[in-house]
Amino acid sequence: QVQLQQWGAGLLKPSETLSLTCAVYGGSFTGYYWSWIRQPPGKGLEWIGEINHSGSTNYNPSLKSRVTISVDTSKNQLSLKLSSVTAADTAVFYCARFLVGNCSGGRCYSNWFDPWGQGILVTVSS
Amino acid sequence: QSVLTQPPSVSGAPGQRVTISCTGSSSNIGAGYDVHWYQQLPGTAPKVLIYANNNRPSGVPDRFSGSKSGTSASLAITGLQAEDEADYYCQSYDSSLSGSVFGTGTKVTVL
Repeated sequence: QVQLQQWGAGLLKPSETLSLTCAVYGGSFTGYYWSWIRQPPGKGLEWIGEINHSGSTNYNPSLKSRVTISVDTSKNQLSLKLSSVTAADTAVFYCARFLVGNCSGGRCYSNWFDPWGQGILVTVSS
Repeated sequence: QSVLTQPPSVSGAPGQRVTISCTGSSSNIGAGYDVHWYQQLPGTAPKVLIYANNNRPSGVPDRFSGSKSGTSASLAITGLQAEDEADYYCQSYDSSLSGSVFGTGTKVTVL
């Protein structure tokens, strides 16, 4: 059974770079895409981006200029960096496996997140 | 930025049936992309409840069911139980964003 465990700094000052890591245990790392999702306190979920084992990425356009997602296949880990953070970036950050299905003509019509990591609250405050 | 709209809250008495709607557009649900549903219990990470419109992962009770039609989808909970009190989110893919989108979220309260 695949399990995801996250860690990273939980308190940042404005303009600093957020850095989180997520380790994958108990299953295959290659052959899947892996994602980051965030949730501001009391609010809904926002997709940040995803990456596959070879490093191919896809980012949310609203965050693309500040986000870097990378993988270390030797350690079955993925990482998230978000630069120039502000208070608006305060959120619980989750990593998750990105599953795809219902593929036809080079396009997949079904993609969802399972399982999820435990989440880390990152607070940006001066 | 949520492009899938859900009612902020729904409630029901134990044993009742409640439904949660998820309204999208021609660039996501209406374009043929599947809808998935997540349950988020207080203080925990979301967990997939329904994937690919109407499929339940092993371990999810058959009280939960999903459907999709046109630009919308629905999650139904029959025989509502106290343990179902949680936040529920729909999710799909949006071709304009070229990425995943989530619903605004619905809080289910068991009266």
